Amino acid sequence: NAGVMQNPRHLVRRRGQEARLRCSPMKGHSHVYWYRQLPEEGLKFMVYLQKENIIDESGMPKERFSAEFPKEGPSILRIQQVVRGDSAAYFCASSLMTDMNTEAFFGQGTRLTVV
Amino acid sequence: GNSVTQMEGPVTLSEEAFLTINCTYTATGYPSLFWYVQYPGEGLQLLLKATKADDKGSNKGFEATYRKETTSFHLEKGSVQVSDSAVYFCALKSSNNNDMRFGAGTRLTVKP
Repeated sequence: NAGVMQNPRHLVRRRGQEARLRCSPMKGHSHVYWYRQLPEEGLKFMVYLQKENIIDESGMPKERFSAEFPKEGPSILRIQQVVRGDSAAYFCASSLMTDMNTEAFFGQGTRLTVV
Repeated sequence: GNSVTQMEGPVTLSEEAFLTINCTYTATGYPSLFWYVQYPGEGLQLLLKATKADDKGSNKGFEATYRKETTSFHLEKGSVQVSDSAVYFCALKSSNNNDMRFGAGTRLTVKP
């Protein structure tokens, strides 16, 4: 059973371009969480999704950022018109649908650098 | 809403010293509680967990007890090693919707 897969591991974008970050959850997991970690800072919640639904996006900036988790395929975090302040590590985690006692499993992260 | 507050770092200790990293939470219902560890350049890994009041999670010499009366889940280790140097995150998973929230993280450096 493969773990949570994120790609790419490293992504470089110029200011104004779009960044697309992908996350494939563990097999059987239908809950996905996205977090942002700025250099030397903690983990900031962005969005929580279930298949085809956004459950909580209270941590996501209202502009330029969007997330989806379609019925088929990976979850995508999209950042439009990137700015230098978007440079960070973005982590995805997944967990089982019905069991609150199980932990979330993390991917290795995507490190976005905006130049 | 649900939230986790953990002791600010960084924390620097000598090898074999005693470690405590404080964590308190606010949640509706009865959450499950977790400690994660992040080594440099890597994602987060589960260190230990507790799913109900008075449970003690333990792993690799680390321990934490779920204290409902003080809404706390402090992480302890009796004798730290250089290899324990990492960032530690306290987290909760709510009982009503499986939402998972993390504290800000505490960086631990252990010196030989």
